[in-house]
Amino acid sequence: AQSVAQPEDQVNVAEGNPLTVKCTYSVSGNPYLFWYVQYPNRGLQFLLKYITGDNLVKGSYGFEAEFNKSQTSFHLKKPSALVSDSALYFCAVRAVLTGANNLFFGTGTRLTVIP
Amino acid sequence: KAGVTQTPRYLIKTRGQQVTLSCSPISGHRSVSWYQQTPGQGLQFLFEYFSETQRNKGNFPGRFSGRQFSNSRSEMNVSTLELGDSALYLCASSLGEGSTEAFFGQGTRLTVV
Repeated sequence: AQSVAQPEDQVNVAEGNPLTVKCTYSVSGNPYLFWYVQYPNRGLQFLLKYITGDNLVKGSYGFEAEFNKSQTSFHLKKPSALVSDSALYFCAVRAVLTGANNLFFGTGTRLTVIP
Repeated sequence: KAGVTQTPRYLIKTRGQQVTLSCSPISGHRSVSWYQQTPGQGLQFLFEYFSETQRNKGNFPGRFSGRQFSNSRSEMNVSTLELGDSALYLCASSLGEGSTEAFFGQGTRLTVV
């Protein structure tokens, strides 16, 4: 079975400080991992993905994420937070082995960047 | 390149009615997936269509159904609506391979009264 855990419902960070949004996953075999962001009354916007290769992946709007196989984690990071980064963030996984295309999502983490 | 288009954006229906939601994927994308988003259950996968065939299905009752047309546009139908069906329904478009990202529409907000 596949699953994603986002242990923090809410993360608050001051503008200009680094931010981290945590994600751990469970999947049989290798994972495809994704981060999405959702603004109020909008759909999900793709931020970045890990497929294979370099464990540090860079994405849109200055976000990056680090894949850690031993800890089964894929934490989202940004060196300097902006107020406009305030939104709901979702981590998602697909299992390579199953070949299925659907995503399993975490419960989401609400990021608030304080001016 | 146009994004994923979902219509309508908002819908209010009465219990027992049925509803049809529409999704037009990004040009060239053959896979369309549907997700239900609620505050209590989060984002849950409903089904995926690829080249007019249902390729994968989530754990939802048979009242939820879908189809895909030859131009890759997809519709989702919910019959005999229940209050618990109130949710944001999101459509995701992709090339259909597991390594590729899905692009989401803005969703249809369904309210059942």
